[in-house]
Amino acid sequence: DAGVIQSPRHEVTEMGQEVTLRCKPISGHDYLFWYRQTMMRGLELLIYFNNNVPIDDSGMPEDRFSAKMPNASFSNLKIQPSEPRDSAVYFCASSNVGPIYFGEGSWLTVV
Amino acid sequence: QKEVEQNSGPLSVPEGAIASLNCTYSDRGSQSFFWYRQYSGKSPELIMFIYSNGDKEDGRFTAQLNKASQYVSLLIRDSQPSDSATYLCAVELTGNQFYFGTGTSLTVIP
Repeated sequence: DAGVIQSPRHEVTEMGQEVTLRCKPISGHDYLFWYRQTMMRGLELLIYFNNNVPIDDSGMPEDRFSAKMPNASFSNLKIQPSEPRDSAVYFCASSNVGPIYFGEGSWLTVV
Repeated sequence: QKEVEQNSGPLSVPEGAIASLNCTYSDRGSQSFFWYRQYSGKSPELIMFIYSNGDKEDGRFTAQLNKASQYVSLLIRDSQPSDSATYLCAVELTGNQFYFGTGTSLTVIP
């Protein structure tokens, strides 16, 4: 079975531009998570969905960040406008009951 | 207060030794506990999970859980250089929320 699929794998963008990160969860998984990882703060939970509904978005750093899950097989995370401090690895993960499984990550650099 | 705390290390052990990684958590309502391994530049991958007090063994890995003391540990027997990575402890709170520690960096010296 395919794992969690994320795109793009790498993105370099200029400050002020909109960034869109995409995720396809593992088929049949009801939960989808967005995490951000930096050296300083480790893995931070940004938002998670259950059956396409956002359950907890308290980890979203500010209004510049938004996430949607229009159907069971797709989610996106948008940053508008992007800032250099948003540079990080963004992981999408999915699960049913039990462990969560990560995608390969989207490496974002904002210059 | 952080939900999950780990010693960041680095932890160095000689090849063939036992590596011991520890994690404490703050929420007594925590349901499930997981260990992930993350190689540099890669995503976290699941090694083990444990739900009940006691030990759980899987090959060279043993997870230990003590809910009364709110700690979970991972032992790696016969450590190999390929075990060199960052090990992340994760705790599942009620509502299927997963929180991760900042990880312990392990180096196995040949």
